[in-house]
Amino acid sequence: GAGVSQSPRYKVTKRGQDVTLRCDPISSHATLYWYQQALGQGPEFLTYFNYEAQPDKSGLPSDRFSAERPEGSISTLTIQRTEQRDSAMYRCASSETGSRETQYFGPGTRLLVL
Amino acid sequence: QQPVQSPQAVILREGEDAVINCSSSKALYSVHWYRQKHGEAPVFLMILLKGGEQKGHDKISASFNEKKQQSSLYLTASQLSYSGTYFCGTEMYSGGGADGLTFGKGTHLIIQP
Repeated sequence: GAGVSQSPRYKVTKRGQDVTLRCDPISSHATLYWYQQALGQGPEFLTYFNYEAQPDKSGLPSDRFSAERPEGSISTLTIQRTEQRDSAMYRCASSETGSRETQYFGPGTRLLVL
Repeated sequence: QQPVQSPQAVILREGEDAVINCSSSKALYSVHWYRQKHGEAPVFLMILLKGGEQKGHDKISASFNEKKQQSSLYLTASQLSYSGTYFCGTEMYSGGGADGLTFGKGTHLIIQP
């Protein structure tokens, strides 16, 4: 596609519910990143994929967070048993090959946990 | 490991120049600069690579001092459209694989007419 797209753009959920966020990267891009951005802060790295491989999960805040990219294109980020502190903007970015390449950010999903 | 940005905020008149700094305590592989407007996604401006190569825009330039692990972003003849929050994102060498960026806290730039 022309740019990185994410859905839904907004998600309101109740504490304890599971949510799944979707990212569709630029079609030619091998590498996909997930970031969490709190209001007024810079994005914070969660995890990344190189095609379908997930070499680094170090930024995931807890085992309630998981991500997949089964066919090396679209990725999902799932948060189980959501908590109020999970409320944030979740951004996806993609780059052609990864290291030392420009990362292009998507519009994000604003998650609000009540 | 979070890079330190300075200043935290700056207010300029249209046409003035601005310099935003980013420094790290760790050896850097690359430095990425983004501008983010309220409610929008970060937009790529510039990337500086260890070894000197850089890619970016024409009215915006940047430097990367590898010895000091510092980068500076230079905005010349600022325009109203330059207003926003500027983030530097740093990448440290991890053995050849891709790395997520570690972002600073941002520099808020306001351009007044």
